[in-house]
Amino acid sequence: GQQVMQIPQYQHVQEGEDFTTYCNSSTTLSNIQWYKQRPGGHPVFLIQLVKSGEVKKQKRLTFQFGEAKKNSSLHITATQTTDVGTYFCAGRRSGGSNYKLTFGKGTLLTVNP
Amino acid sequence: SQTIHQWPATLVQPVGSPLSLECTVEGTSNPNLYWYRQAAGRGLQLLFYSVGIGQISSEVPQNLSASRPQDRQFILSSKKLLLSDSGFYLCAWTDGTGGLQPQHFGDGTRLSIL
Repeated sequence: GQQVMQIPQYQHVQEGEDFTTYCNSSTTLSNIQWYKQRPGGHPVFLIQLVKSGEVKKQKRLTFQFGEAKKNSSLHITATQTTDVGTYFCAGRRSGGSNYKLTFGKGTLLTVNP
Repeated sequence: SQTIHQWPATLVQPVGSPLSLECTVEGTSNPNLYWYRQAAGRGLQLLFYSVGIGQISSEVPQNLSASRPQDRQFILSSKKLLLSDSGFYLCAWTDGTGGLQPQHFGDGTRLSIL
């Protein structure tokens, strides 16, 4: 079945440092979504990428979708303590079910003030 | 606006006892509904999804079941809980085609099995 791998599993940074998490799928994706889960909370949708090579920005967050639509990344510039949480990618397999997303295991980001 | 409600927020159950978790969505019609389990605070495992009343797709064989008796109600059940059923259970909904739409999650139920 489809697998979505995310690395690293954990990342600890000093406030102000940059952070990147990577997502790789075993199959071509039709779209990829990113979610953030604060400690003790539930995942919250951040963004969706659909086009090959797409890049989207949200303030200090930059999201990329690979040319082959099998990988994606989330980059945070100058992290803040409010960025703490687990970041998940989730993708729908190209040609697969319209209803199922496969989630990566997430990257837990901690920020030292 | 749409809202999703999940209850209870926390639950402690003995091994072998039954389970019923409920999820309801307000402010939308014909949502796609999902149950996920998150173990040890990490990855989301899809358990069930439903695209309509009475339609349930099971992703992982286990001693859990799901039902959708009404359009905006999704229930997760078990007749006899196992220790391995402990975890954080999340209900989510989407509209439209599901996979191309954001998933909106409830606050979750933390289930501990003793």
